[in-house]
Amino acid sequence: GESVGLHLPTLSVQEGDNSIINCAYSNSASDYFIWYKQESGKGPQFIIDIRSNMDKRQGQRVTVLLNKTVKHLSLQIAATQPGDSAVYFCAEISNRNSGYALNFGKGTSLLVTP
Amino acid sequence: DGGITQSPKYLFRKEGQNVTLSCEQNLNHDAMYWYRQDPGQGLRLIYYSQIVNDFQKGDIAEGYSVSREKKESFPLTVTSAQKNPTAFYLCAATTPSGQRNYGYTFGSGTRLTVV
Repeated sequence: GESVGLHLPTLSVQEGDNSIINCAYSNSASDYFIWYKQESGKGPQFIIDIRSNMDKRQGQRVTVLLNKTVKHLSLQIAATQPGDSAVYFCAEISNRNSGYALNFGKGTSLLVTP
Repeated sequence: DGGITQSPKYLFRKEGQNVTLSCEQNLNHDAMYWYRQDPGQGLRLIYYSQIVNDFQKGDIAEGYSVSREKKESFPLTVTSAQKNPTAFYLCAATTPSGQRNYGYTFGSGTRLTVV
């Protein structure tokens, strides 16, 4: 079936550097994407979203880029801090037979070192 | 606080036993979801419910069952037919309009281990 996946399972960056987490998707009909942050033993938390009519969206220290031509999106975290250490997932809204649900990628573990 | 409460946080199951994971929400959301998370994997959809007394299979429903007798409650039973139940289980809820955007709220999860 259609899938959402990430290129790298782990990413290690130094505190203060910028982080880039990538995600590829296969469903060209997907029109909405969300990035989630998950800390150990907790549920996912919303970070930022983007619709397919946009190429870029910025939040506080985070930017999401969407390239529909190659079906790729990325999450950029500026000035990465130790509190950013977590697993990051991209997700798309999946249109099911009865309603909608989130379809998640496998996740990238971000480790911020001092 | 409004939110989703999952219990217990940790659960141990013997081989061949059924166990039920609780998910309660006070957000007054119509739609509820159960996801399974394995190490190195994303979240996979087990079951979802759009409204009371109705629910649908997700991508990995085999070996699981659910009920939706009340709007605020969506318990998940892991049956003995589920051959590899050890995982982290997450419950989520959203509104009808929230389904198509970021309006999903997640619980803190239940970690189930087969002993």
